Amino acid sequence: AQSVAQPEDQVNVAEGNPLTVKCTYSVSGNPYLFWYVQYPNRGLQFLLKYITGDNLVKGSYGFEAEFNKSQTSFHLKKPSALVSDSALYFCAVRDPNRAGKLIFGQGTTLQVKP
Amino acid sequence: GAGVSQSPSNKVTEKGKDVELRCDPISGHTALYWYRQSLGQGLEFLIYFQGNSAPDKSGLPSDRFSAERTGGSVSTLTIQRTQQEDSAVYLCASSLGQFAPNTEAFFGQGTRLTVV
Repeated sequence: AQSVAQPEDQVNVAEGNPLTVKCTYSVSGNPYLFWYVQYPNRGLQFLLKYITGDNLVKGSYGFEAEFNKSQTSFHLKKPSALVSDSALYFCAVRDPNRAGKLIFGQGTTLQVKP
Repeated sequence: GAGVSQSPSNKVTEKGKDVELRCDPISGHTALYWYRQSLGQGLEFLIYFQGNSAPDKSGLPSDRFSAERTGGSVSTLTIQRTQQEDSAVYLCASSLGQFAPNTEAFFGQGTRLTVV
C-alpha cells in the first residue's frame, strides 16, 4: 500500500537560514510526489512536484525538493527561510498504478523566527 | 469554474442531525477527492472518485458517511447522525485524474463542520 511519512511534527528555523522539511514514501512503482502548503485558515496550495527526470525540482516561493530513489525520500528545501514561510506543509504521493489516488503525510509545521 | 468551490464554508449542527457538504470541482476534472482535517492535524483520506469508475471508499470512517458524485461533476458528502468527533474541516480536491496522473490536485477552501 502506498504511504507517506513526515517524521517531524514541527521544524524551527531562524529567518535567513536554510530549511529542510523531510518526507519519505512507500509505493510499489515509480512515484509521483507533491508538496503542498497550508497557511492559517486557508486551503492547500500546490508548491511543486516530481514526476520524472531531474531529481531536483523547483517550485513556488523559492522552494525546491530533492527526489532520492534509493532513500525513498522527497525532502523540501529552501536556501533562505522567510518569516512568511511559516505554515503547515504536506507531502503527498500518487502511485500511477493505483488509478491516481493521492495520499498525504501527516504534515509538518514550519516555524520561521525573526 | 475557476477553482474548486465548497459549500457551506461553515456549518454548525446538533449532534444526531444529518449534514450535506457540497463540492463543485474544476470543470473538466475527472478525479475528485474528499479529505478530513481535524484541528491542526493531517489530511485523512475519505473517498476518491475517478470518472465513471466505482469510487474508492476505503477511507470512510463509518457507515454514517457516504458520498456521491452526480453526472461526473458535483459531489455531496453526507454525514448521518452526526457525532462530536465528526467536527473537522472537510476538504475537497479535484484533478485531471488517472489519464493525467502527473498533474496536481486543486483544493477548495473547505467546510468547517462543528457538531454541538
